[in-house]
Amino acid sequence: EVQLVESGGGLVQPGKSLRLSCAVSGFKFDDYAMHWVRQTPGKGLEWVAGVSWNSGNIGYAESVRGRFTISRDNAENSLYLEMNSLRDEDTALYYCAKDQSDTILWFDNWGQGTVVTVSS
Amino acid sequence: IMVTQSPATLSLSPGERATLSCRASLTISSNLAWYQQKPGQAPRLLIYEASTRATGIPARFRGSGSGTEFTLTISSLQSEDFAVYFCQQYNTWPLTFGQGTKVEIK
Repeated sequence: EVQLVESGGGLVQPGKSLRLSCAVSGFKFDDYAMHWVRQTPGKGLEWVAGVSWNSGNIGYAESVRGRFTISRDNAENSLYLEMNSLRDEDTALYYCAKDQSDTILWFDNWGQGTVVTVSS
Repeated sequence: IMVTQSPATLSLSPGERATLSCRASLTISSNLAWYQQKPGQAPRLLIYEASTRATGIPARFRGSGSGTEFTLTISSLQSEDFAVYFCQQYNTWPLTFGQGTKVEIK
């Protein structure tokens, strides 16, 4: 059974940093691309970043480029999102999602999410 | 690429057919996926490549379209199908979602 478990969310002040982690199991991690997707009541679903199986292809949403960094550790079956210079508008539920392929396409499995709240 | 879904809300009775639309601002070939989301749950993949059902998805869910116009049809609504549905294009980065269509019980 595929499992994706996010952690690292919480309350953080604007301008500060936070690191999200996603621990995976139930599939061969280094065969698939991985993503972070966030959701807010007002803006719906927003793809944040994606990384191919070997980290050779990485993409970001315009809203986070230059502030967020996605990375993966295939030896540890883990995905990460380093979030710097956080803004109020980064407040959301952040999902870790598995791609159905080794490149960046669509999401066939999702975690339950971790909440990030940016507020002073 | 902007993705626009319509209608925002669809009020139907169990057993009725649901037709949901998704329009891309530029042509995306068949590079479109559909997801279902129920309250308190993560989205679930229904359809990819515009018309291929994901593993375990019932045959009453049918995706169609190419280019800029796409449709998700639920042939006969079951109680468990009342949810929010999102489409997502993966033709061009950044990947983008529609704003969702809520299918509610009439």
